[in-house]
Amino acid sequence: QQQVKQSPQSLIVQKGGISIINCAYENTAFDYFPWYQQFPGKGPALLIAIRPDVSEKKEGRFTISFNKSAKQFSLHIMDSQPGDSATYFCAASELQGAQKLVFGQGTRLTINP
Amino acid sequence: NAGVTQTPKFRILKIGQSMTLQCTQDMNHNYMYWYRQDPGMGLKLIYYSVGAGITDKGEVPNGYNVSRSTTEDFPLRLELAAPSQTSVYFCASSWTGLAGGEQYFGPGTRLTVT
Repeated sequence: QQQVKQSPQSLIVQKGGISIINCAYENTAFDYFPWYQQFPGKGPALLIAIRPDVSEKKEGRFTISFNKSAKQFSLHIMDSQPGDSATYFCAASELQGAQKLVFGQGTRLTINP
Repeated sequence: NAGVTQTPKFRILKIGQSMTLQCTQDMNHNYMYWYRQDPGMGLKLIYYSVGAGITDKGEVPNGYNVSRSTTEDFPLRLELAAPSQTSVYFCASSWTGLAGGEQYFGPGTRLTVT
């Protein structure tokens, strides 16, 4: 019940295209859903996060769509750029208590110029 | 602010050796975490702490130990290194309470056990 499943494992998108990464969770107690971006040799860094009281959150070219009934959320990267090439992780946690993150398996995104 | 710092960056251990991975944060965060990252597996929580003197096991604690004597430091100890502990280790910290959530990660320690 603690799993977060992420797909696809890898994704290649042309510059200017839309990148879409999907995640599904099982634990209905989760109430915080962040996306982390990781470049090679670096630690993950928070990209954008959403709480289940809204269905969408947008920050610049990055949008999270959240479907509470389906227990799914996704990251959309509009106008994808070569600098967006990185590994992306979805995660989930309960903000009550220790806020332990459960991570998806990661998606390696490559944006071709 | 330096954020979350980890030492060493790289280490090669022989089977059965011991070592301590250091983690320090200067953001006065109460919550701290240790994760390991294996290829294609995401990050798995090893241990976490909600404050000085308080630690608890995560998803994959076997073979590891932690201590939290100060707010700033959260070292991870490997007592008898095994090849299965070859991984990249990340330390993270975060604010407490419902206003929190974001975890700040260090740059990682790449450990190889041979």
